[in-house]
Amino acid sequence: AQTVTQSQPEMSVQEAETVTLSCTYDTSESDYYLFWYKQPPSRQMILVIRQEAYKQQNATENRFSVNFQKAAKSFSLKISDSQLGDAAMYFCAYRFRTSYDKVIFGPGTSLSVIP
Amino acid sequence: DGGITQSPKYLFRKEGQNVTLSCEQNLNHDAMYWYRQDPGQGLRLIYYSQIVNDFQKGDIAEGYSVSREKKESFPLTVTSAQKNPTAFYLCASSSTPRTGNTGELFFGEGSRLTVL
Repeated sequence: AQTVTQSQPEMSVQEAETVTLSCTYDTSESDYYLFWYKQPPSRQMILVIRQEAYKQQNATENRFSVNFQKAAKSFSLKISDSQLGDAAMYFCAYRFRTSYDKVIFGPGTSLSVIP
Repeated sequence: DGGITQSPKYLFRKEGQNVTLSCEQNLNHDAMYWYRQDPGQGLRLIYYSQIVNDFQKGDIAEGYSVSREKKESFPLTVTSAQKNPTAFYLCASSSTPRTGNTGELFFGEGSRLTVL
């Protein structure tokens, strides 16, 4: 069965600094999606970034980028120039690409941004 | 605007009562999902549906029921058999491979259920 692990329950970063959140996953499949979702205090789930496993290039969205290591089954999220609005729970998630049954979520990392 | 609407946002229930949470989407997505989130924890899948009139159990389906009579709607009933129903419930939808997709789930704003 697929699993997603986030080993850092809590992280903190100084405003304007860079932070990296870790995610590892376990799957026997080769074709899948990986996601990072953000859940601010409002509890609305927001997609931060998406990676397709067949793509070698790491995804980037403005200040957010990933380091996707397929062989190591690692998918870390780097937030550059951290802002107060980045404070939230961050969830790593996996889904098999050609069968739309489940999206598996990790337990989350709570990120605090220090002014 | 396209999106997912969950209602009510807050709901209180007495023990022994069934309650139904509404989830409606106008994104023309085939697949819909219900997740449960407990304080400080991740999302656990309750039920999902990939097509009208069909749905599958997720990891924690006991004490819950769903229906999918219309593509736009996927209501969740929390029955009195659910031992610890107080939680935050999130509904989501996504497109399916046959219709083209970007893979991600789109979420509603959630419903907070409290059992008194």
